[in-house]
Amino acid sequence: LAKTTQPISMDSYEGQEVNITCSHNNIATNDYITWYQQFPSQGPRFIIQGYKTKVTNEVASLFIPADRKSSTLSLPRVSLSDTAVYYCLARGGSYIPTFGRGTSLIVHP
Amino acid sequence: KAGVTQTPRYLIKTRGQQVTLSCSPISGHRSVSWYQQTPGQGLQFLFEYFSETQRNKGNFPGRFSGRQFSNSRSEMNVSTLELGDSALYLCASSSGSSGNSPLHFGNGTRLTVT
Repeated sequence: LAKTTQPISMDSYEGQEVNITCSHNNIATNDYITWYQQFPSQGPRFIIQGYKTKVTNEVASLFIPADRKSSTLSLPRVSLSDTAVYYCLARGGSYIPTFGRGTSLIVHP
Repeated sequence: KAGVTQTPRYLIKTRGQQVTLSCSPISGHRSVSWYQQTPGQGLQFLFEYFSETQRNKGNFPGRFSGRQFSNSRSEMNVSTLELGDSALYLCASSSGSSGNSPLHFGNGTRLTVT
């Protein structure tokens, strides 16, 4: 199994950039790293996915170093509506999807 | 496109009973996976189906089972319910066969076992 570890919580202020790092040992060679956002009473929602180096979309960036043992989700200029729990997902050699325990991000005014 | 639909949204069952949860994936998606979410254990993978075949299974007892129908709709069943089975059960669908396609989650079924 891939073991994924991420911080339990983070605090930020509106307009700041937030970086959340996830470590994922034993990630499968051809597996992607995916990040999800979850609000209360809803299922997780896809944010971004990458294999290596840097990926950017309209809401976030994802940085993955060459050894692929970690990844960093970057949220530029967060707003109050970004308050949520963020999960990283990786799969190990057995291809069992393993979510991190989630990082609860609170954005303050 | 309609999203992933899970029914029912809430369930209350008694220990020893069994329960069946239903999931309708996004149209065209052939992969459906199930997850258990609890405050203590987080999101844990139960199993994944692709074209009616179980492709992968997590580390859960045999009381947890699932199936997928030819229209890609899926059900999961939990028999002999225990108090510890109380959780949010999430279903996700994806479009690809590789397993790397992004997951699209439903809003879950909240199961309470008393």
